[in-house]
Order: sequence, then C-alpha cells, then structure tokens
Amino acid sequence: AQSVTQLDSHVSVSEGTPVLLRCNYSSSYSPSLFWYVQHPNKGLQLLLKYTSAATLVKGINGFEAEFKKSETSFHLTKPSAHMSDAAEYFCAVNRDDKIIFGKGTRLHILP
Amino acid sequence: DAGVIQSPRHEVTEMGQEVTLRCKPISGHDYLFWYRQTMMRGLELLIYFNNNVPIDDSGMPEDRFSAKMPNASFSTLKIQPSEPRDSAVYFCASSPSGMNTEAFFGQGTRLTVV
Repeated sequence: AQSVTQLDSHVSVSEGTPVLLRCNYSSSYSPSLFWYVQHPNKGLQLLLKYTSAATLVKGINGFEAEFKKSETSFHLTKPSAHMSDAAEYFCAVNRDDKIIFGKGTRLHILP
Repeated sequence: DAGVIQSPRHEVTEMGQEVTLRCKPISGHDYLFWYRQTMMRGLELLIYFNNNVPIDDSGMPEDRFSAKMPNASFSTLKIQPSEPRDSAVYFCASSPSGMNTEAFFGQGTRLTVV
C-alpha cells in the first residue's frame, strides 16, 4: 500500500537560509505526490504536486520538490526562508483515489 | 467558486450531545473527503464519497460516527453521542476526480466536547 513518511516533526531555519523538508514514499508504482501547507487555524493549501510529468516540480511561494525514484523521496525545498513560511507542511500521496497524509513537519523560522 | 465551505467553524458541546458538521464541496467535484486532525494522530481520513456514494468508511472510528451525502452539493458528519475524545478539527475536502488530482480543503470545524 502506498504511504508517505515525513522524517522530521520539527525543522528550524534562520530567515534567509535554505529550507529542506523531507518526505519518503512507499509505492509499488509511480505515485501522485503532493505537498500541502497549513498555517495556524487554517485549512490545508496545496503547494505543489507531482504526477509523473516532470521530476522537478515548482510550486507556490518559491517552493519546489524533486521526485527521486531511486531514493523514493519527494523532498520540499526553498532557497531562502521567509518569516511567513512558518507553518506545518504535509506530504501526501494519492492512493486508490484517497489522499493519505504524512504526520507533518512544523517549520520554525528564526529571525 | 467560493471553495469548500464548512459550518460551523467552531462547535462546543457537552458530552452525550449530538453534533452535526456540514460541508459544501466545490461544484463539479466528484469526490468528497472527511478528515479529522488531532495532535496525537495527525490527519486521519474518516470516509470518502464518489458521486455521493460512500466508498470507504474504514477510517470512521466508531458507530457513533456517521456521514451522509444526500446530493452533490452537501454532506454531513454526525457524532452521536459525542465524547471528549472526539475533540478535534474536522476537515472536509473535495476533488474533481480520482487519481493524480489533489484535494481542496475547507477551513475546518473545531469541535470541543466538554
């Protein structure tokens, strides 16, 4: 069965430095993968999605993610963190028409 | 489109009472999902519908939980009787089709059972 694992529950970076949020998936075939962001007391917003068209996917707010089949990874990156990026980030996979989420990574931005 | 609309945004109820959460999906979306979010368990899929038909309710925690979708523009999640451990944020989401498509989320209903 397809699932995703987010390797870090919390990540702290300084403003202006790169962001890396890790996600690994398990799947017997090429999955559809997503990254969502949730700001406090808000719903989930889609950042980007991978659907086998291109391995490097660009999303909103300067985020991007690279699908690496050899590593079964779909890590989320951003070159330079902004204070407004502080939120919880969820990696997700589409499994049998259901969207299944990882446990989430809370991103803290240090001034 | 206004997006997925959930009501109420906040609900406080006493243990033992019936609670009904409501959701209006995005027009034209064939799939509707109900999720529950807690600190301990994260985001759990409770049930989902395709074209108003429940497809998978294996995530519904107990018989106290039930969900309906009487038409393409409305769904309810009911808890009867409610218990303090049901306190959570409940999200409704909709999706235009199955594979390769993302889900669009409502703002959630924060339920507190005292």
